[in-house]
Amino acid sequence: KNEVEQSPQNLTAQEGEFITINCSYSVGISALHWLQQHPGGGIVSLFMLSSGKKKHGRLIATINIQEKHSSLHITASHPRDSAVYICAVRGGSQGNLIFGKGTKLSVKP
Amino acid sequence: DTGVSQNPRHKITKRGQNVTFRCDPISEHNRLYWYRQTLGQGPEFLTYFQNEAQLEKSRLLSDRFSAERPKGSFSTLEIQRTEQGDSAMYLCASSLATRWDRGYNSPLHFGNGTRLTVT
Repeated sequence: KNEVEQSPQNLTAQEGEFITINCSYSVGISALHWLQQHPGGGIVSLFMLSSGKKKHGRLIATINIQEKHSSLHITASHPRDSAVYICAVRGGSQGNLIFGKGTKLSVKP
Repeated sequence: DTGVSQNPRHKITKRGQNVTFRCDPISEHNRLYWYRQTLGQGPEFLTYFQNEAQLEKSRLLSDRFSAERPKGSFSTLEIQRTEQGDSAMYLCASSLATRWDRGYNSPLHFGNGTRLTVT
């Protein structure tokens, strides 16, 4: 069993829909990252959080430390949101991020 | 802020050859990380540096892999005697860790990666 599990693996949505991507982890963590990866490989850090909720534009990330679960929400989705969204957790090691396999999101116009 | 730069973007090599990749982090960042990503998978940690010191290496990093960051700025990742299983995207990231947060709260900035194909 992977230490970081994401669901769903693939997600297709219509433009304007509200989207939720989930991340569950099994290890103790100090921080959780949500990352966005576009075709071609470039990765952008969206959020880093260790408790509560963060919001940036149409993106909202929440984390429940007790339940070892985080969600990434996208409101009013747009085709330009199409990308792979990756959850990663930082455990006891300062260097080692453990990544989920990613959720491939496709938003249709 | 010029971002994290990786070169080359693509590398095709024959099995058995050596390859070297370069990563230039954001200039004031003291932490530099290397990750490997295969198709359909999330990135996997390989190694990281704090300044010029290599502080951690993954078990994934076999003896054929070596990374350096000689002056605490750019880093190189060398793979000797490449195998087909080495084909992957090699990602570099950097961050600024302070003695207060020890790196736990520092966001990562990724480069666009070097895609290696071993034929």
